[in-house]
Amino acid sequence: SQQGEEDPQALSIQEGENATMNCSYKTSINNLQWYRQNSGRGLVHLILIRSNEREKHSGRLRVTLDTSKKSSSLLITASRAADTASYFCATATSGTYKYIFGTGTRLKVLA
Amino acid sequence: ETGVTQSPTHLIKTRGQQVTLRCSSQSGHNTVSWYQQALGQGPQFIFQYYREEENGRGNFPPRFSGLQFPNYSSELNVNALELDDSALYLCASSPTGPEGYTFGSGTRLTVV
Repeated sequence: SQQGEEDPQALSIQEGENATMNCSYKTSINNLQWYRQNSGRGLVHLILIRSNEREKHSGRLRVTLDTSKKSSSLLITASRAADTASYFCATATSGTYKYIFGTGTRLKVLA
Repeated sequence: ETGVTQSPTHLIKTRGQQVTLRCSSQSGHNTVSWYQQALGQGPQFIFQYYREEENGRGNFPPRFSGLQFPNYSSELNVNALELDDSALYLCASSPTGPEGYTFGSGTRLTVV
C-alpha cells in the first residue's frame, strides 16, 4: 500500500511559473525524500528533509515538512520545460529500512 | 550516469519463466534495495540487502529473491513469472543505508 499520497496527480503550468505539489503520509517518519522521474526511467534524488526539520532549500527547490499534519510540500520556482517529469515523495517509517513512495505528481511545464 | 548500472534495460519473458536482473553499484555502497514500479504507480519496496544479507523485505512472495556480492553487484531473481510482474525494476544503492539512495535507470520487464 502507498504511504505517501501526492496531490495533485497532474499539474500543467507555463514556463516561469511556480509549481507546488503536496505529499501526505500516515505514520511517524525518520525523514522524507523527494525524487524526480523522467519518462519512466530511474529516480533522481532531489532533497531529503529530516523529521526535526521544517524547511529546506536546494537551488530552485523548497521543501517544507509539517509532522503534526503528516504532510510535506515541494515548491519549484521559476519552472522550466526541463522540469517536466513525475515527482514522488518517499518516507521511511521510524524503525524500518524501507522507503514507501507515493503515486506521484505528473508535472508538465509548457514552453 | 548515476554510478548505478542496471542490466538489461529491457526484457521480454514468457509467463512461468524465470528472470535475473542485475545491478552494479558504486564501490563502497554496502546497502542495495530493489523496487518494482508498475505503470502509473510509485515504486514498491521489494527488499534490501546490507553486506550480502537481506535485512528488510516488502510485501512480495518468496519467488522474488535476491543476492548481493562482495564486488557491490547484486541480482534480483523472479521465478514463475506472472503477467502482473510486468514493471520497471529499480535498483538503489547507498554507502550509508537508505538515506541518500542513488537509483539506477531500471530494467523494463514485460511478461507475455
